[in-house]
Amino acid sequence: AQSVTQLDSHVSVSEGTPVLLRCNYSSSYSPSLFWYVQHPNKGLQLLLKYTSAATLVKGINGFEAEFKKSETSFHLTKPSAHMSDAAEYFCVVSDPSGGSYIPTFGRGTSLIVHP
Amino acid sequence: GAGVSQSPRYKVAKRGQDVALRCDPISGHVSLFWYQQALGQGPEFLTYFQNEAQLDKSGLPSDRFFAERPEGSVSTLKIQRTQQEDSAVYLCASKLRGASDNEQFFGPGTRLTVL
Repeated sequence: AQSVTQLDSHVSVSEGTPVLLRCNYSSSYSPSLFWYVQHPNKGLQLLLKYTSAATLVKGINGFEAEFKKSETSFHLTKPSAHMSDAAEYFCVVSDPSGGSYIPTFGRGTSLIVHP
Repeated sequence: GAGVSQSPRYKVAKRGQDVALRCDPISGHVSLFWYQQALGQGPEFLTYFQNEAQLDKSGLPSDRFFAERPEGSVSTLKIQRTQQEDSAVYLCASKLRGASDNEQFFGPGTRLTVL
């Protein structure tokens, strides 16, 4: 079975300061991990994904995430927050259990960016 | 269009009415997923198609929920005798290949409100 835990329901930062959104996962396999962003009234957009290649993954809009197997973590970071980063972020785990790679979403972290 | 589209974008139903939600996936995408996203929560898996075959419907909450994809392209999620707890955003996603860990592309969702 797979699961994912997003440790913070809300994260508040000032514009220009670093962003850290935390995610821990559980999987019986070598999982694939994703971060998606959801702006209000918009569809989910893929930020980045890890699929057993490099452990440090770079995504769009300056975001990156590091896969740490020993800590079962896949935290999302960005060096400097922009007002447009304010959105809901979802960490997702997917493994081949059942043969279908059905993904499991975390509950989401709301990123608030103050001017 | 190039993306996943869903219609209607908004639906208001009286309790007990039947509703039908449509998803047009990206052309050529083999896999199609339906998710339910309650307010303040992450998307939860409902059902999965590979071409016209419904391979997993373990997430459907009751027998009032029914999904089909008869020609392996457009899919319809039908909810019979809607209840207030069915109020949510229903998301559709498509993926190029079948059992793989590649990216899902999401539609904008249909927001269902049951009065």
